[in-house]
Amino acid sequence: KQEVTQIPAALSVPEGENLVLNCSFTDSAIYNLQWFRQDPGKGLTSLLLIQSSQREQTSGRLNASLDKSSGRSTLYIAASQPGDSATYLCAVGSNSGYALNFGKGTSLLVTP
Amino acid sequence: SAVISQKPSRDICQRGTSLTIQCQVDSQVTMMFWYRQQPGQSLTLIATANQGSEATYESGFVIDKFPISRPNLTFSTLTVSNMSPEDSSIYLCSVETQGAGTQYFGPGTRLLVL
Repeated sequence: KQEVTQIPAALSVPEGENLVLNCSFTDSAIYNLQWFRQDPGKGLTSLLLIQSSQREQTSGRLNASLDKSSGRSTLYIAASQPGDSATYLCAVGSNSGYALNFGKGTSLLVTP
Repeated sequence: SAVISQKPSRDICQRGTSLTIQCQVDSQVTMMFWYRQQPGQSLTLIATANQGSEATYESGFVIDKFPISRPNLTFSTLTVSNMSPEDSSIYLCSVETQGAGTQYFGPGTRLLVL
């Protein structure tokens, strides 16, 4: 069974810092990997989707990388802002179906 | 993308009762899923809601406890039956449009069972 781990569980940084969130998975036979943002009382917002054949995806201040062979993905957030405060979830899609396996998330707090 | 709504957004229920959660999508989608997020935990897939046939349940989830309906390509319901405090969770509906690869999630239903 695919196990997804996110480190750190929580992170607090001052505004303006660049930061990296880590995600690791145990089975490298993945279909894709998706990063989501979850705000309190709201659903999940898709941030970036990386197909298994891709190495990275970028959207604005966000950059996600994927290294299938080592079972790792990172989400890089540049010039962090207080509005970036949320829980960030990593989810891995398997080849055998459409279900996503989620990590427990990294709770990010960006202080002004 | 897809816009997804869920009803109710939250509820407080008594032990032993049942609650039906609705999920409505603004466009026809091929795949619909139901997830559960228990306090402090990651999201766990409950089942895939299949249009016109019985839902496909993940290990640890059964139809008697979580009956699911999907009468068409834009709507699904999840019922949490004979609830206990352990069922207190956020229940989320998600969809995947054909070929998109990206899953879109509803706002979730926050359930508290007393």
